[in-house]
Formats: sequence, structure tokens, C-alpha cells
Amino acid sequence: DVKVTQSSRYLVKRTGEKVFLECVQDMDHENMFWYRQDPGLGLRLIYFSYDVKMKEKGDIPEGYSVSREKKERFSLILESASTNQTSMYLCASSLFGQGIFFGPGTRLTVL
Amino acid sequence: KQEVTQIPAALSVPEGENLVLNCSFTDSAIYNLQWFRQDPGKGLTSLLLIQSSQREQTSGRLNASLDKSSGRSTLYIAASQPGDSATYLCAVRGSSGSARQLTFGSGTQLTVLP
Repeated sequence: DVKVTQSSRYLVKRTGEKVFLECVQDMDHENMFWYRQDPGLGLRLIYFSYDVKMKEKGDIPEGYSVSREKKERFSLILESASTNQTSMYLCASSLFGQGIFFGPGTRLTVL
Repeated sequence: KQEVTQIPAALSVPEGENLVLNCSFTDSAIYNLQWFRQDPGKGLTSLLLIQSSQREQTSGRLNASLDKSSGRSTLYIAASQPGDSATYLCAVRGSSGSARQLTFGSGTQLTVLP
């Protein structure tokens, strides 16, 4: 079975802090994603990576950056956390043309 | 631009009923369609993946069908149980197969009453 893990289930940070969300997948998938999910807005793609060191902006990249130094790991970085970044963050991975598999999610609260 | 709609937004049924969840999409040129369940506060769990060349997929009490020409997919749940209570989402991948072209529906929240 595909396994996607995220470093934290719950995280509380202060406004202005730099925040790192880590994601690891164990199935050698070339594609990895970061989404955020908010009530009434559904799932929105933040960033997408199709290979090591390769990244592409999603629909809402402002205020975020990403890093993919190894194939199995994809990090989401909030350079200066703000209250409007309080959300559920979901990491996912897939092979080209195949199903997408999600991690358990990180509930981030920015105070 | 692909749009994916799931109606109804919420559904409540008594235990034991067979039920159908709907997913509609506006652009029939798709690569595949995937169904997920999401429990409150958790990530999405993949249930079934239907490639564009397939008409249906089955897993246990679940059966998903795909009709590209009409832009519809259904998820059939047989003999529903309280443990099936969750939000069910569908996602459509665009014809290029690129994961960048993945569009999610907003989900149907299912409650199965004991």
C-alpha cells in the first residue's frame, strides 16, 4: 500500500513565524502535491512537484514556498505565517496517470 | 475549465440501505476519475480509480461507474453501515494525464443512521 506521512497532525504557530510542513512518501512516486482544505472552499492546490528540484505553482502559491531535495520528501514552507493560513494542509503523491494518494493531514493554527 | 459537481451536498440514510452518490463533470475528455472518503479531521482515503477506458470498478460493497459521454460517475454503496458515514469526494484528471489537471468535487456528506 502507498504510504504518505506528514510530520505533524496538529501545529500551533504565532504570526510571523517560519513554518515547515514535511511530507514523505514511500512508493517512489515522481509527483507530489500540497493542498489546503477550507470549509466552503474545498481542496486548493498550493504547489506541485513533478521531479526532484522541480516545482510548479498551483492555484494559491502566495505566501508559500516548497522544497524537494529528495524524491520521497516534499516540504511546504510558510515564510511568515499569517492568520489566514490557518487551515488543514494535505500532502499527496502519485505516478503519472495513476491515482493520487493523500497523507493524514496537518491542522495548522496560526495565532 | 473542468467543473466537478456532487449533488446532494448531504445525505442521511438508515442502516442497511443501498445508496448512490453522484459526480458530474463538464468536460468529458478525462484521463481517469477517482473516488475518496474523508473522515472528519483526516486526510482523503482512496476508494476506487476508474480509467477513462473503463466503465466500472468494484471493491467490496463499493461499485463506481463512469459514463464519459454524459459526464457522470456514480458510487454505489451496498448495505450501508454506520461506519460508512463520511464525506465522499470525486476527482477528475484531465485528458493529458498530468496530475496538475486534477479537479475535485466539493463532496457529499453521508450519514448512515443505526
